[in-house]
Amino acid sequence: GQNIDQPTEMTATEGAIVQINCTYQTSGFNGLFWYQQHAGEAPTFLSYNVLDGLEEKGRFSSFLSRSKGYSYLLLKELQMKDSASYLCAVRDSNYQLIWGAGTKLIIKP
Amino acid sequence: IAGITQAPTSQILAAGRRMTLRCTQDMRHNAMYWYRQDLGLGLRLIHYSNTAGTTGKGEVPDGYSVSRANTDDFPLTLASAVPSQTSVYFCASSEDNHSPGNEQFFGPGTRLTVL
Repeated sequence: GQNIDQPTEMTATEGAIVQINCTYQTSGFNGLFWYQQHAGEAPTFLSYNVLDGLEEKGRFSSFLSRSKGYSYLLLKELQMKDSASYLCAVRDSNYQLIWGAGTKLIIKP
Repeated sequence: IAGITQAPTSQILAAGRRMTLRCTQDMRHNAMYWYRQDLGLGLRLIHYSNTAGTTGKGEVPDGYSVSRANTDDFPLTLASAVPSQTSVYFCASSEDNHSPGNEQFFGPGTRLTVL
């Protein structure tokens, strides 16, 4: 079967750095996406990786290793507004997104 | 309007009733999707449409139907609602479903409770 694993919850301090991991086992691979979802709101796109390596976008970076079925999202200089759930999704061989359950990130002052 | 809209925002429905959730996008995206989101589970695909006039079944299609008569609209119908269909429903769209990096844009969601 297809499976995306992420930690359920993480806690970090304002101004710090946090890494959210995602491991996947899917039928085929056509890219990995990270989305942010604030409570009660819709998911919004953060990043996309299809080749191995690091993609940087301001305070957010995402890394992919296809051979290991592994990705992480790195958030630097954490702000209170970064408190949200972070969703990892893999596009499979049918070009559909398979979603992890999300990681709830709690930022403490 | 800009982006994707969904209606209603929330609904309480008696079991056995028929319900249509509406979704409209103005980005001229070819692909559209319906997901449900339940606590502790990832988003699960119900139905999708790669282009107007075509639809496909996702991971959890039973009890749901869709139509795609034009590019903009993608309604989701529950023919006879059951309590297990209580969930938050998100509609999404993307330019297409296969180009690299094509992200999906999400509507605000419909919170549905079936009693």
